[in-house]
Amino acid sequence: GAVVSQHPSWVICKSGTSVKIECRSLDFQATTMFWYRQFPKQSLMLMATSNEGSKATYEQGVEKDKFLINHASLTLSTLTVTSAHPEDSSFYICSARDDVTAPKYNEQFFGPGTRLTVL
Amino acid sequence: AQTVTQSQPEMSVQEAETVTLSCTYDTSENNYYLFWYKQPPSRQMILVIRQEAYKQQNATENRFSVNFQKAAKSFSLKISDSQLGDTAMYFCAFMKHVVEYGNKLVFGAGTILRVKS
Repeated sequence: GAVVSQHPSWVICKSGTSVKIECRSLDFQATTMFWYRQFPKQSLMLMATSNEGSKATYEQGVEKDKFLINHASLTLSTLTVTSAHPEDSSFYICSARDDVTAPKYNEQFFGPGTRLTVL
Repeated sequence: AQTVTQSQPEMSVQEAETVTLSCTYDTSENNYYLFWYKQPPSRQMILVIRQEAYKQQNATENRFSVNFQKAAKSFSLKISDSQLGDTAMYFCAFMKHVVEYGNKLVFGAGTILRVKS
């Protein structure tokens, strides 16, 4: 149980285009999901907290107009990188909290990540 | 704000031996959770072990155990009988104990562990 998927696993796009990354909780409902960015051999940097049915909460320094987050259902959150540039190339990871178990265990379940390369 | 410090960027251990990864944190909270996550070369984050701050007993999961020193704000991970599959980046993480949605994980910088045969 507690599986989180991400799609695509990798994507290459041209500078100036937009890219959408999906994060799905496959066997549980997740009111809250999180989006992280990770550079090689570095830690995970929280970008935003995604809440179903409401606006995402962005961390300081993260451009909300550039990284659009939509959490339209209890099992799906999407991150859209708009007008992507080479500096947006990175590994993007999502995580999700199981609505049933989270109040007790507070565990986040992570997706496998998406590698974005902007040419 | 909470901070998590992992002072060992890289470590190596011989197969079957024991290794300890260090983690310290800073918080004014009294109730919180601490985690160790493993990120192997596949980059899938895997929960290794969890510790609840109000529990004095150190958590253990098979070959993995922690030394939780609340007063010292220290949370080290001990891996016994190291295996080649333990090669990964290990992250220490902190989360406040608040009964609400949106609890954030605060990660340390990570320690790359290499298990040698």
